[in-house]
Amino acid sequence: KAGVTQTPRYLIKTRGQQVTLSCSPISGHRSVSWYQQTPGQGLQFLFEYFSETQRNKGNFPGRFSGRQFSNSRSEMNVSTLELGDSALYLCASSQDRADEAFFGQGTRLTVV
Amino acid sequence: GQSLEQPSEVTAVEGAIVQINCTYQTSGFYGLSWYQQHDGGAPTFLSYNGLDGLEETGRFSSFLSRSDSYGYLLLQELQMKDSASYFCAVPNNAGNMLTFGGGTRLMVKP
Repeated sequence: KAGVTQTPRYLIKTRGQQVTLSCSPISGHRSVSWYQQTPGQGLQFLFEYFSETQRNKGNFPGRFSGRQFSNSRSEMNVSTLELGDSALYLCASSQDRADEAFFGQGTRLTVV
Repeated sequence: GQSLEQPSEVTAVEGAIVQINCTYQTSGFYGLSWYQQHDGGAPTFLSYNGLDGLEETGRFSSFLSRSDSYGYLLLQELQMKDSASYFCAVPNNAGNMLTFGGGTRLMVKP
């Protein structure tokens, strides 16, 4: 069974640009969550989607958005990139509840 | 809100036993999970405690005491490959988000 796949693995962007990250969950999993990981703030919840509906959103500015497609694949978008957006962005999938979540390898975003 | 406290760093020798503690303050409680993350890798699910007591999975065990708002991860027969960061996490009541502790960096020495 394939795990959670995130693309791309690494990304370098310039301030002010926008970026789209992709996540393919484990087959059969309908919940996809996104987390930002930084050395200073640790792992912080961005948002969660289930059957194409956003069920929860973390405390991030509106520049961070996401969506989920009918095949459960998810994308997150960050517009008007800031230096502080440099982080590892992790996607996690689960069947429904996040009691046991399966994470992808993450996308390492560097904003210069 | 939810907050979880863990030690930032623990060092132990190969073959030893180490315990990583996690105390939490939550507005509601729906279980405690543990994740392992190697440098450059993805967090990997280790265990989930929904009820008080000890859960054992091979060399790893996890304990929960809801009355004390406390849990721990116990790693036995430490191996060099156990050097990693360990995170405790709690789900919200809807189970659609996890709040993580700051992580404990475990260094296993020969």
